[in-house]
Amino acid sequence: NAGVTQTPKFQVLKTGQSMTLQCAQDMNHEYMSWYRQDPGMGLRLIHYSVGAGITDQGEVPNGYNVSRSTTEDFPLRLLSAAPSQTSVYFCASQSIGELFFGEGSRLTVL
Amino acid sequence: GENVEQHPSTLSVQEGDSAVIKCTYSDSASNYFPWYKQELGKRPQLIIDIRSNVGEKKDQRIAVTLNKTAKHFSLHITETQPEDSAVYFCALEDFGGFKTIFGAGTRLFVKA
Repeated sequence: NAGVTQTPKFQVLKTGQSMTLQCAQDMNHEYMSWYRQDPGMGLRLIHYSVGAGITDQGEVPNGYNVSRSTTEDFPLRLLSAAPSQTSVYFCASQSIGELFFGEGSRLTVL
Repeated sequence: GENVEQHPSTLSVQEGDSAVIKCTYSDSASNYFPWYKQELGKRPQLIIDIRSNVGEKKDQRIAVTLNKTAKHFSLHITETQPEDSAVYFCALEDFGGFKTIFGAGTRLFVKA
């Protein structure tokens, strides 16, 4: 099993551009989530989903959209990138409490 | 919303010494408290967890204690080794079980 797969690993955007971070898991987990990691601030929850068709906001949802059309996929969309969204993004799926993270996507917004 | 405070932010110990990281929280309804380790450039990975019906849990050199009355939980690493050097995050799962909230992290340095 590949676990949780994120793409791309690195991305540079200009302010105002849009992009989608892809996340896929092959463990048949119902729960998936997106976090951003910034120095000194830990991992902050952006959005999460408890199953296909169900999403909800986390701690820092502004500027991000998500959808969950299948159990496997949970993409994160930035509609109009801002420098404040420069960060490392982690997707995770969850089973009985434990989070399984992808390798992360490093996004730089200029 | 739920808040988790983690201390210290940086911890430096000599190889063989013990390290203790403490977290406090505000939501008394939380029942699940995991700890994650993140090595440089890698993804966070679960190292130990504890549920609210248990006061202490141990796995080889690491242990976690939970005091629900005082709303704090701690990670204890004994006989530290250089490979223990990493960032450690405490976390908790909210009462509904849908959100895992993290502390800000502790960067542990183990000096050989």
